[in-house]
Amino acid sequence: EPEVTQTPSHQVTQMGQEVILRCVPISNHLYFYWYRQILGQKVEFLVSFYNNEISEKSEIFDDQFSVERPDGSNFTLKIRSTKLEDSAMYFCASRRDSSYGYTFGSGTRLTVV
Amino acid sequence: SQQGEEDPQALSIQEGENATMNCSYKTSINNLQWYRQNSGRGLVHLILIRSNEREKHSGRLRVTLDTSKKSSSLLITASRAADTASYFCATETTGNQFYFGTGTSLTVIP
Repeated sequence: EPEVTQTPSHQVTQMGQEVILRCVPISNHLYFYWYRQILGQKVEFLVSFYNNEISEKSEIFDDQFSVERPDGSNFTLKIRSTKLEDSAMYFCASRRDSSYGYTFGSGTRLTVV
Repeated sequence: SQQGEEDPQALSIQEGENATMNCSYKTSINNLQWYRQNSGRGLVHLILIRSNEREKHSGRLRVTLDTSKKSSSLLITASRAADTASYFCATETTGNQFYFGTGTSLTVIP
């Protein structure tokens, strides 16, 4: 069964540092997403990406965040200057089209200290 | 807000019993999806039901959708201890936005 792969599984970073979270979506999927889940809270939408550009983003996805699909296989989320409140589980997801459900990766737990 | 609300927030049942979780939402949707999350881990897609469908089955799962009431239910029949997890509904709106609900924490007691 194809999987969405996320690396690293856990990242600890100092406040103010930049982090890049990496995702390899399923190869024939066209739509890509990042979500986050602060511990004990609901899963929140960050951004969707289609045809090499952002199609939707939430209020959470401010100028500190950016996404890239640099080489046709990876899909990255960059946080430029991390804050304590960025600590969360970040999930990447992809899907083939609107007829299908989302396939989520297993997440990257980001801890900002 | 479109975000769905599940109820109950927590459900504890004996193995073999059926578990029913409900989800309500606020605006028009293209589809509604149910996901499972084991503690601290990733989200697993369980089932998708489109807005023109009323009921869908997958193994021990049965999902209903009532668009007039803007609600859905997930029924897990003959529950097992391994079904212990959090269950989330997620709605894809007609504006192509996607929102998760607050989740139901299910505990199945062996």
